Amino acid sequence: SQTIHQWPATLVQPVGSPLSLECTVEGTSNPNLYWYRQAAGRGLQLLFYSVGIGQISSEVPQNLSASRPQDRQFILSSKKLLLSDSGFYLCAWSVGLAEYNEQFFGPGTRLTVL
Amino acid sequence: SQKIEQNSEALNIQEGKTATLTCNYTNYSPAYLQWYRQDPGRGPVFLLLIRENEKEKRKERLKVTFDTTLKQSLFHITASQPADSATYLCALNQAGTALIFGKGTTLSVSS
Repeated sequence: SQTIHQWPATLVQPVGSPLSLECTVEGTSNPNLYWYRQAAGRGLQLLFYSVGIGQISSEVPQNLSASRPQDRQFILSSKKLLLSDSGFYLCAWSVGLAEYNEQFFGPGTRLTVL
Repeated sequence: SQKIEQNSEALNIQEGKTATLTCNYTNYSPAYLQWYRQDPGRGPVFLLLIRENEKEKRKERLKVTFDTTLKQSLFHITASQPADSATYLCALNQAGTALIFGKGTTLSVSS
């Protein structure tokens, strides 16, 4: 069966510090991968998605970046965090395009920037 | 502009009643629409997918309708239970992009 892992589960970081969140998927090959952010009182905002190794599409311009160094690994990074980067970060995967298929979400990372 | 609106942020109902949640969209032409459940502090979980040529879809106590003329989807939970309390998200596709989610409706079922 397929599983998706995210770590860490919670993170408290000072403004201006770097960020690296990791997501890995097991039990499937060539998944489409997604990073979302859910801020308090707001909906799920798609940040990045990837259809293959090294292929990243950015949905929202910001100080975040994503990379996919391996087929089932997706990393979200920032060089300098802002207060507005606080939120609940979710990684998800789908078989093929998510518009035709369900997405499977990870447990999320709660990021607080102070 | 393009919008997805879930008409109420919160819905409170009594156990045993039918909960009806609404998802309206503007300036989209989705071929598919999905519904997810999200519990506090967790990632969303897929519930149902309905295609534009399907008027209605059912799964156990859940029913989804999709009216492309009204640009609306309704999500029903019959014989609701306290365990159904959660936030429910609708999501749709726009050709060439990933899913776009509404902000969700938080359902509270009281016993």
